[in-house]
Amino acid sequence: GDSVTQMEGPVTLSEEAFLTINCTYTATGYPSLFWYVQYPGEGLQLLLKATKADDKGSNKGFEATYRKETTSFHLEKGSVQVSDSAVYFCALSVTGGGNKLTFGTGTQLKVEL
Amino acid sequence: NAGVMQNPRHLVRRRGQEARLRCSPMKGHSHVYWYRQLPEEGLKFMVYLQKENIIDESGMPKERFSAEFPKEGPSILRIQQVVRGDSAAYFCASSLTGEGLFFGSGTQLSVL
Repeated sequence: GDSVTQMEGPVTLSEEAFLTINCTYTATGYPSLFWYVQYPGEGLQLLLKATKADDKGSNKGFEATYRKETTSFHLEKGSVQVSDSAVYFCALSVTGGGNKLTFGTGTQLKVEL
Repeated sequence: NAGVMQNPRHLVRRRGQEARLRCSPMKGHSHVYWYRQLPEEGLKFMVYLQKENIIDESGMPKERFSAEFPKEGPSILRIQQVVRGDSAAYFCASSLTGEGLFFGSGTQLSVL
């Protein structure tokens, strides 16, 4: 079946450090890929998405590129801030609308001054 | 402009009791989804509802679990005769068109 594997956390970085959170997937067909973020005490929010191979999703300084050859969708940010501290979820959907999602286990990011 | 509201945030039940989890979607949203996150696992799709209709319940356990989204009021996820394995975080999401989900903060169910 469909599945998403992402790196375990917590990931602890200093402010302004470079961030990479790895995500790989297994799916039938050609899924759409997503990153969701959950800030403390809040619900999950869509951070970015990509719907086909080589697409790059970007938002708030975060980027991820849909790599079909490596079945990956790694999340990157060049310079993290304390306010980026949250849990990040990678997800896929094999339905067109992205409403029936398969999630990874989440990666907690802690950014310190 | 309130987001998706779930209550309670934390629910404690003893084995054999019933658990009722509530979800009020964003204003104007008629599509509701329920997801469950078991310990050490990712969120997993359970059920997709529109007003008064179950559209897709392929992720729902066959027994003890039911969901509804009445014409008026919140969506309810009901778990009868809870067991320890039901302990999890339950997330609700809503959508205006069936695309683009907005999630609530979740209900943490603990079964003693």
